[in-house]
Amino acid sequence: DAKTTQPNSMESNEEEPVHLPCNHSTISGTDYIHWYRQLPSQGPEYVIHGLTSNVNNRMASLAIAEDRKSSTLILHRATLRDAAVYYCILRGNTGKLIFGQGTTLQVKP
Amino acid sequence: GAVVSQHPSRVICKSGTSVKIECRSLDFQATTMFWYRQFPKQSLMLMATSNEGSKATYEQGVEKDKFLINHASLTLSTLTVTSAHPEDSSFYICSASDQVYEQYFGPGTRLTVT
Repeated sequence: DAKTTQPNSMESNEEEPVHLPCNHSTISGTDYIHWYRQLPSQGPEYVIHGLTSNVNNRMASLAIAEDRKSSTLILHRATLRDAAVYYCILRGNTGKLIFGQGTTLQVKP
Repeated sequence: GAVVSQHPSRVICKSGTSVKIECRSLDFQATTMFWYRQFPKQSLMLMATSNEGSKATYEQGVEKDKFLINHASLTLSTLTVTSAHPEDSSFYICSASDQVYEQYFGPGTRLTVT
């Protein structure tokens, strides 16, 4: 399974946009890029996923580089409830999700 | 979105006993369920993949005789930790997939072995 690289931690101010980067240089043509987030003592929550084109949903936007070797999760207006660990994961044909260390996002009021 | 439940949410057991954790998909049929383990301040580690009606596939290093997985129906999978020891204390999380694009995660079960 291809790996992803994310910064260990990031900080944001409340109500400002947040850009969470992810590198996945060994991505294969059939891998989907998935983002999940996890609050303490809870199961992960699906955020967004994409293959080649940029994606938007009510939670976030996903910007995928043209060569697909990197992507950025965009939270348009961070709130305190967005403080969590964000995981960028490549989902291949097996359907398995292999979690890396993720990015711990801290949101300051 | 789809809902996945786990029961119990937390359990304390004595060393040497067995503990069963249930994972249910409440509003969809889950052809595949996954079990993860998460130690404090660490990421989720995939333990096994189970498909309804067939044997589970375990990740390398996970003892299949210690972590028994049964996926008897399209809405229920169980994980039994046999002869639990303190080092098995962890946060166990299941997820369910309808083979579309998403995995839906349960809220997790906190196991403490004394």
